[in-house]
Amino acid sequence: KAGVTQTPRYLIKTRGQQVTLSCSPISGHRSVSWYQQTPGQGLQFLFEYFSETQRNKGNFPGRFSGRQFSNSRSEMNVSTLELGDSALYLCASSYNGGWGNLNTEAFFGQGTRLTVV
Amino acid sequence: SQQGEEDPQALSIQEGENATMNCSYKTSINNLQWYRQNSGRGLVHLILIRSNEREKHSGRLRVTLDTSKKSSSLLITASRAADTASYFCATESGNTPLVFGKGTRLSVIA
Repeated sequence: KAGVTQTPRYLIKTRGQQVTLSCSPISGHRSVSWYQQTPGQGLQFLFEYFSETQRNKGNFPGRFSGRQFSNSRSEMNVSTLELGDSALYLCASSYNGGWGNLNTEAFFGQGTRLTVV
Repeated sequence: SQQGEEDPQALSIQEGENATMNCSYKTSINNLQWYRQNSGRGLVHLILIRSNEREKHSGRLRVTLDTSKKSSSLLITASRAADTASYFCATESGNTPLVFGKGTRLSVIA
């Protein structure tokens, strides 16, 4: 079956602009999580969506937001971009996101490399 | 915030040697997972070990888990140049998302 698809793969934006990233999970997976990866901070959890509801949220400012659609596809939006938002943004899908002790693995997309100039 | 901490941060070995990476974590967990990341790409799941398991094997991978010490190790036997990547441990606790460590960068020299 098809893997997790993230679009676009690369993006260059100017400070102050906004950006929307897209993630299509594996068919049948209802949990989508977003992570920000930078050399200094490593993989930082942004938020998780399950059945169109935000179930968990990381410690990021309100400029970072997301949503999930009825087909489980998810988007994340970053408004008023700052230089420090330059990072690899990774999306992960899983069947249940670990709730209920199902011990399920996460499948990651290839990421979107965002550069803010 | 980081839950898992991998050790060492970087490791360089010759092809054919074994590579051992360690991970320590802070809170009780449902499971611990290991992932591999090739440069600048997505993470690939390697192995999952549940909190009630002590050891697990998958091909050339061997993972151990010691919940009393809150630590895990990943052993890659007979390493190959293609094993060059960053390796991350991630823990799953209760109903919270996976929390990753900062990773071990493994270089396998042919």
